[in-house]
Amino acid sequence: GNSVTQMEGPVTLSEEAFLTINCTYTATGYPSLFWYVQYPGEGLQLLLKATKADDKGSNKGFEATYRKETTSFHLEKGSVQVSDSAVYFCALGLSSGSARQLTFGSGTQLTVLP
Amino acid sequence: DGGITQSPKYLFRKEGQNVTLSCEQNLNHDAMYWYRQDPGQGLRLIYYSQIVNDFQKGDIAEGYSVSREKKESFPLTVTSAQKNPTAFYLCASRTGTGNHYEQYFGPGTRLTVT
Repeated sequence: GNSVTQMEGPVTLSEEAFLTINCTYTATGYPSLFWYVQYPGEGLQLLLKATKADDKGSNKGFEATYRKETTSFHLEKGSVQVSDSAVYFCALGLSSGSARQLTFGSGTQLTVLP
Repeated sequence: DGGITQSPKYLFRKEGQNVTLSCEQNLNHDAMYWYRQDPGQGLRLIYYSQIVNDFQKGDIAEGYSVSREKKESFPLTVTSAQKNPTAFYLCASRTGTGNHYEQYFGPGTRLTVT
């Protein structure tokens, strides 16, 4: 079946530090890959996405590259801010099957200290 | 503003009572989803609907029911048969086709059953 494995948290960084959150996946077919962010008490917001191998998604200084050879989609940011503190979810979705539902990882809690 | 609304934000019920969570969207999306989120876990799919008057069970449908009488609305009923109903419930809708699609999430409803 399809699954997403994320780096376990929590992750605590100082402001301006480099961030990497690892994400690997298992899927039948060719999934689209997503990173969502959830701030405390809120729903999920789409952060970035990639739809095919070697695509790079980017938004708000965050980047992730779809690596088919390593089945990975690691999230990176060069310099984190306190406002980046949130839970980050990696997800995959398949277009074969009409549901296009998402399969989520367990989430990684990020705390950025001033 | 277009978006997804869920109400109420917090909901408290006694064990043995059915409760209905509201989800409304004005994005004109055909597909809608209900997810459950438990602490430290990713999201799990409860039900989804791709078109009015049609819906399918997700991975954890037992103890839940839905209806889709209007495109804009996808209410979820948590029945007394759900053994562990206390959780954060997220509604989403989907736009896009093929491999290019995105899910948009509402702010969530936190249900506590005692």
